Amino acid sequence: DGGITQSPKYLFRKEGQNVTLSCEQNLNHDAMYWYRQDPGQGLRLIYYSQIVNDFQKGDIAEGYSVSREKKESFPLTVTSAQKNPTAFYLCATRAGAYGYTFGSGTRLTVV
Amino acid sequence: AQKVTQAQTEISVVEKEDVTLDCVYETRDTTYYLFWYKQPPSGELVFLIRRNSFDEQNEISGRYSWNFQKSTSSFNFTITASQVVDSAVYFCAFIAGGTSYGKLTFGQGTILTVHP
Repeated sequence: DGGITQSPKYLFRKEGQNVTLSCEQNLNHDAMYWYRQDPGQGLRLIYYSQIVNDFQKGDIAEGYSVSREKKESFPLTVTSAQKNPTAFYLCATRAGAYGYTFGSGTRLTVV
Repeated sequence: AQKVTQAQTEISVVEKEDVTLDCVYETRDTTYYLFWYKQPPSGELVFLIRRNSFDEQNEISGRYSWNFQKSTSSFNFTITASQVVDSAVYFCAFIAGGTSYGKLTFGQGTILTVHP
């Protein structure tokens, strides 16, 4: 079945560490997105990519980095510069104009 | 800039009650799309409906119905005869038509709890 796989489901990070969240899709969608979810704030866009080897900052890109070396993969790195990384992270793809598909998310906690 | 506001942070109802989730949006665009998503405890977002700005017809799908009113910039969602399985976080979202990168703007979400 086609879909989006986010891993791991739960991730714990020590302060000062970089961590990478995985997002893999087999939907053959060109566009991919990373959203951050905090309680009471909805989802906010971190980065997005429309094609391979190209990506753009979203509304809250500071402290994050991405790469898009393959169409299927759009990993998100949460760097030590991100002061408040504890959140739920959702990856999404888009087919056509407005057909979005979301992954099941990664919950990141700083310990 | 676009903005989506969901007035209710949390709603608690008893099974079989009807419940309406409010969504108000702000935009200068004349072409846009509105969405509702459901987020169950498992975390993924489940698509419920998409509406474009030129189609103000209300829609009904089983126990779900949506009321789109451009005059009040609202896109409200009603669940009739709620069930425990409806317990989830519900998001209203907006995207301007013609946007090249397809950025969804989400409301803050409404936590719906349906008690047996």
